[in-house]
Amino acid sequence: GENVEQHPSTLSVQEGDSAVIKCTYSDSASNYFPWYKQELGKRPQLIIDIRSNVGEKKDQRIAVTLNKTAKHFSLHITETQPEDSAVYFCAASSYNTDKLIFGTGTRLQVFP
Amino acid sequence: DVKVTQSSRYLVKRTGEKVFLECVQDMDHENMFWYRQDPGLGLRLIYFSYDVKMKEKGDIPEGYSVSREKKERFSLILESASTNQTSMYLCASSLYRGETQYFGPGTRLLVL
Repeated sequence: GENVEQHPSTLSVQEGDSAVIKCTYSDSASNYFPWYKQELGKRPQLIIDIRSNVGEKKDQRIAVTLNKTAKHFSLHITETQPEDSAVYFCAASSYNTDKLIFGTGTRLQVFP
Repeated sequence: DVKVTQSSRYLVKRTGEKVFLECVQDMDHENMFWYRQDPGLGLRLIYFSYDVKMKEKGDIPEGYSVSREKKERFSLILESASTNQTSMYLCASSLYRGETQYFGPGTRLLVL
């Protein structure tokens, strides 16, 4: 079945630097790739998503890129701020799996 | 806004007790999910349901059961709680299969 691997598991950056989190998936039929942010003590919330017919999507300081050939997608956060500190989860789904398969999460810490 | 609520934020139970965790969503979503979240292991799917009275096993169903008698409500049952079921439990719902999921606030369960 589908497997999603996420790296790194922890990431520390200085405020203002960029952060990149990468995920790879195994099912070539995967067509939907959401990213969730979970702040400490709170629920995961969708921050951005991308579909397989698009290579890149941006929303202010965050962007997601998709490489279907290599079967990987990445979350890019520019000009990081302390409030970006959280655990980020990637996920993938396809018509084969019919449900979201989540990565194991990345704990991002942004130091002032 | 989609609202997913869970019956308790914190729960302390004794080994061998029967435990009920309830989840309610108010957006008429067909699909509901129960996850378990443990450090370093990400979100692991326990059970899911695509319709009333319907249930499907996820990746870690052992020791759990579910009930979906009404569309808006999905219950997770621990028939005989054990200490290795101490965890954070997250409920989610989605409008379409394999699409964006909306999470509840989570129930942190401690089994003594």
